[in-house]
Amino acid sequence: QKEVEQNSGPLSVPEGAIASLNCTYSDRGSQSFFWYRQYSGKSPELIMFIYSNGDKEDGRFTAQLNKASQYVSLLIRDSQPSDSATYLCAVKDSNYKLTFGKGTLLTVNP
Amino acid sequence: EADIYQTPRYLVIGTGKKITLECSQTMGHDKMYWYQQDPGMELHLIHYSYGVNSTEKGDLSSESTVSRIRTEHFPLTLESARPSHTSQYLCASSGQGSSSGANVLTFGAGSRLTVL
Repeated sequence: QKEVEQNSGPLSVPEGAIASLNCTYSDRGSQSFFWYRQYSGKSPELIMFIYSNGDKEDGRFTAQLNKASQYVSLLIRDSQPSDSATYLCAVKDSNYKLTFGKGTLLTVNP
Repeated sequence: EADIYQTPRYLVIGTGKKITLECSQTMGHDKMYWYQQDPGMELHLIHYSYGVNSTEKGDLSSESTVSRIRTEHFPLTLESARPSHTSQYLCASSGQGSSSGANVLTFGAGSRLTVL
């Protein structure tokens, strides 16, 4: 069974710090990797995706992918209280199905 | 504006009732999905469709059924609701991705079902 593992947290960081969120996956055939943010009681919304090894930057967010280690991470620079949410790692297989991790709860303290 | 719509947003019903959760998208996406999520828990795929007249069961067993008669519409039905069906149901769709071909999922606002 395909698995996506995340530390459930909570991860607590001070405002302005870098938050680091990690994710591992079991299916070596996985093709694309996604980070979603979900505020309490709301639907997930896409932050960014990555499909090639290395780093991908979008504003304050950087996704990192290492397929050999089956590891994907999300860095949030200059964390803001509005970044407090659950961050979901999702992995897409060759059949376009996404498997989600349980999510990491991030709290940014003012 | 292209979007994905779910109705009802909230539903409280008694055991044994038949319910249909509606999901429509205006983005012309060919792929649609239903996820189930309990509070504080992970999303589980219960149904998906890659096009009209195509439906498949997801990774989590569900007593619900779905249909895809039109591209934009993907309703989910429970013939006889039970308290164990109480959950949040999230509809999503995806189509041709960006130049990366990543096939990004867009979620609706969700339908929160409570069965008494």
